[in-house]
Amino acid sequence: AQTVTQSQPEMSVQEAETVTLSCTYDTSENNYYLFWYKQPPSRQMILVIRQEAYKQQNATENRFSVNFQKAAKSFSLKISDSQLGDTAMYFCAFTLTGANNLFFGTGTRLTVIP
Amino acid sequence: NAGVTQTPKFRILKIGQSMTLQCTQDMNHNYMYWYRQDPGMGLKLIYYSVGAGITDKGEVPNGYNVSRSTTEDFPLRLELAAPSQTSVYFCASRRLAGHLGETQYFGPGTRLLVL
Repeated sequence: AQTVTQSQPEMSVQEAETVTLSCTYDTSENNYYLFWYKQPPSRQMILVIRQEAYKQQNATENRFSVNFQKAAKSFSLKISDSQLGDTAMYFCAFTLTGANNLFFGTGTRLTVIP
Repeated sequence: NAGVTQTPKFRILKIGQSMTLQCTQDMNHNYMYWYRQDPGMGLKLIYYSVGAGITDKGEVPNGYNVSRSTTEDFPLRLELAAPSQTSVYFCASRRLAGHLGETQYFGPGTRLLVL
């Protein structure tokens, strides 16, 4: 069975600082995708960044980057130059290639402090 | 493109009532999904569809039904609502393959309260 674990229920960061959110996952498969979704108070699920497991290079999207450690089954999200609009729940998610279930962690609530 | 749209945004149901949650996408995606999100939790898959006329159960299908008569629409039916179905419901879709395949795009959610 596939599982996703986010061990930090809540985190806070000062505006303009950098924060890293942790995620680990468990699978015996080799081909999969990992995602970080942001859920602001509006409850909309917004894709932040995605990573293909077969790619060694870490994905980046502007201020967001990941540290993907396949052997350790770790997929952390780094947010640089944190902004007030980054305040949200962040969910790590995992899917096997060609599968239809997206497995979610329980989320990390991030608060950016002015 | 409007993306994935859901109606209603919020609904209160009495125990035993039925309702249909609507979901429409205009991205011509083959795959569509229904998830529920309970308080403090991640999302769990209820049902999914790989194309018009084809649906299958996800992790938590009990108490729900779906149909997929067109590529665009994927309604979720609740029969005999129960308090345990109080949740936020998300619809999502993704393309079959290619660039950004495997990436699911979500609607804004429907908050359902069963009393």
